[in-house]
Amino acid sequence: LAKTTQPISMDSYEGQEVNITCSHNNIATNDYITWYQQFPSQGPRFIIQGYKTKVTNEVASLFIPADRKSSTLSLPRVSLSDTAVYYCLVGRYSGYALNFGKGTSLLVTP
Amino acid sequence: DAGVIQSPRHEVTEMGQEVTLRCKPISGHDYLFWYRQTMMRGLELLIYFNNNVPIDDSGMPEDRFSAKMPNASFSTLKIQPSEPRDSAVYFCASGSGLAGEETQYFGPGTRLLVL
Repeated sequence: LAKTTQPISMDSYEGQEVNITCSHNNIATNDYITWYQQFPSQGPRFIIQGYKTKVTNEVASLFIPADRKSSTLSLPRVSLSDTAVYYCLVGRYSGYALNFGKGTSLLVTP
Repeated sequence: DAGVIQSPRHEVTEMGQEVTLRCKPISGHDYLFWYRQTMMRGLELLIYFNNNVPIDDSGMPEDRFSAKMPNASFSTLKIQPSEPRDSAVYFCASGSGLAGEETQYFGPGTRLLVL
């Protein structure tokens, strides 16, 4: 399984764009990249998933360079409610044996 | 759909007691996962099932932990005997396993405290 490295924590002000980068140097050909969000006292919630280039949904964008050895989750104009832990996961589409680790704790302040 | 259902939501027990956590996955999902979350270790995968069959239990910490999935709509995680270091939040998640749809849906978790 590809190992991921992401910052332990990040701080931002309301209204700013936040970019969280995840490194996954040994990503395999069939691996997808998936990001989850977890609020306190809740289970993680799927945000976005991609394989290559750029993916965008109503919540975030995911940028994946051509070599796929890293990915960047972009949250546009964050609000206080975006304060959460964000997890980057890399795995094969049928390989659910994924460890979330500790993720990136994002704190958004006024 | 009501989502993944877990019970109990909170459990306080004494060291040495048996603890049973329950999970009802989303109907139609054929993957089920058990995770444990602590401040020290983050969110760890304990075991997962595909079509009710355990596929990978390498995350189960020791023989005191066991998990079963007798049918597609029910799974249990049992700790016997429990120890204070088992105190954590235990999450159950389910997923469809469809190609390109690697999404796991998590339940609200069971907060376990072993005294």
